[in-house]
Amino acid sequence: DAGVIQSPRHEVTEMGQEVTLRCKPISGHNSLFWYRQTMMRGLELLIYFNNNVPIDDSGMPEDRFSAKMPNASFSTLKIQPSEPRDSAVYFCASSRTRQEAQYFGPGTRLLVL
Amino acid sequence: ELKVEQNPLFLSMQEGKNYTIYCNYSTTSDRLYWYRQDPGKSLESLFVLLSNGAVKQEGRLMASLDTKARLSTLHITAAVHDLSATYFCAAGSWRGGGSNYKLTFGKGTLLTVNP
Repeated sequence: DAGVIQSPRHEVTEMGQEVTLRCKPISGHNSLFWYRQTMMRGLELLIYFNNNVPIDDSGMPEDRFSAKMPNASFSTLKIQPSEPRDSAVYFCASSRTRQEAQYFGPGTRLLVL
Repeated sequence: ELKVEQNPLFLSMQEGKNYTIYCNYSTTSDRLYWYRQDPGKSLESLFVLLSNGAVKQEGRLMASLDTKARLSTLHITAAVHDLSATYFCAAGSWRGGGSNYKLTFGKGTLLTVNP
């Protein structure tokens, strides 16, 4: 299996622009997670889906962030408008069930200028 | 709210030595997870521990779980340079009436193995 696929791998944008991050989970995995990692705050869970349904979005920082999972093989995380404090590495992870080990994608390094 | 504390946060050790990373969690947890992250890379799952007394080993790493003490340990035997990485533990728990299962991660232990 190819593992979790994320795109883009790097994104540099200017404040105020819309940013869309994409994720393809491992086939057969029913749970998908979006995390953000920074030096200051560590690894934070933003939102997760189970069977394409959002279960917990309490980690989404504010209304500027939104996530969708239109089908079992694709999810997006959108930031609109982006701000410099959104600069971080965003990881997508998937797991067969919510309780099994999560497999992380390579991450998207986002820099907002 | 479930809290996870790892210690030490920074660990510098010599090749060939043994050491243990500790992971304490504050309330009942369903499972305990260990992950490894190399610098600039993603997280890789190492172990999932399900029950009290569980022990899992892979190479020079051994993880154990004591649910009564709410403690998991990651023991490193005869460290080698390739083990240099950040190690995270995470505790899983059900919330919101049993429909919401989440992991709470520790801050990570940055391990540097020196020749």
